[in-house]
Amino acid sequence: NAGVTQTPKFRILKIGQSMTLQCTQDMNHNYMYWYRQDPGMGLKLIYYSVGAGITDKGEVPNGYNVSRSTTEDFPLRLELAAPSQTSVYFCASSQGFSGNTIYFGEGSWLTVV
Amino acid sequence: KQEVTQIPAALSVPEGENLVLNCSFTDSAIYNLQWFRQDPGKGLTSLLLIQSSQREQTSGRLNASLDKSSGRSTLYIAASQPGDSATYLCAFYDKVIFGPGTSLSVIP
Repeated sequence: NAGVTQTPKFRILKIGQSMTLQCTQDMNHNYMYWYRQDPGMGLKLIYYSVGAGITDKGEVPNGYNVSRSTTEDFPLRLELAAPSQTSVYFCASSQGFSGNTIYFGEGSWLTVV
Repeated sequence: KQEVTQIPAALSVPEGENLVLNCSFTDSAIYNLQWFRQDPGKGLTSLLLIQSSQREQTSGRLNASLDKSSGRSTLYIAASQPGDSATYLCAFYDKVIFGPGTSLSVIP
């Protein structure tokens, strides 16, 4: 059981480039999340999804887009990368909000230069 | 809007000490609270989940409590070990809002 898998693990982008961070979970979870974590800080919610075809903004959605066409996949799109988007990105999933453990991927380290 | 704080920001203790990490929140209308551990360069590992109707949960040397009326949760670690060194984060449902974390270092 792989859990939550994120790719790539490391990436360097130039300012203005675009890229997609991939996230897949094999636990048949309805809820999926994208977070970013800046050095020495806690996690900030970017977007979340409560099921295929349903997404909503979190605390810091600007500069990002998501889609959820299947239960398993929840890609995060960065358009026109900026240095402020240099961060570690974590994908997570859970069966629901209430009474369910949330599982995290290993993280994707992104540097924008 | 839910605001979450964790005190202290960093803590260094000698091996064998019992210690308490604190997490405070502003909105008592929470569903659940979860404590996580994060090792350097790694993702987060769930330690304990407390549902809103519960007051505490225990797992091995860890005990977490939840007091919604005071807006506080505590994570108690008994007989600390060097392997406990990590950053500990609390998170609140429904949108899983995280605190900034406490960086713990246990000195052998």
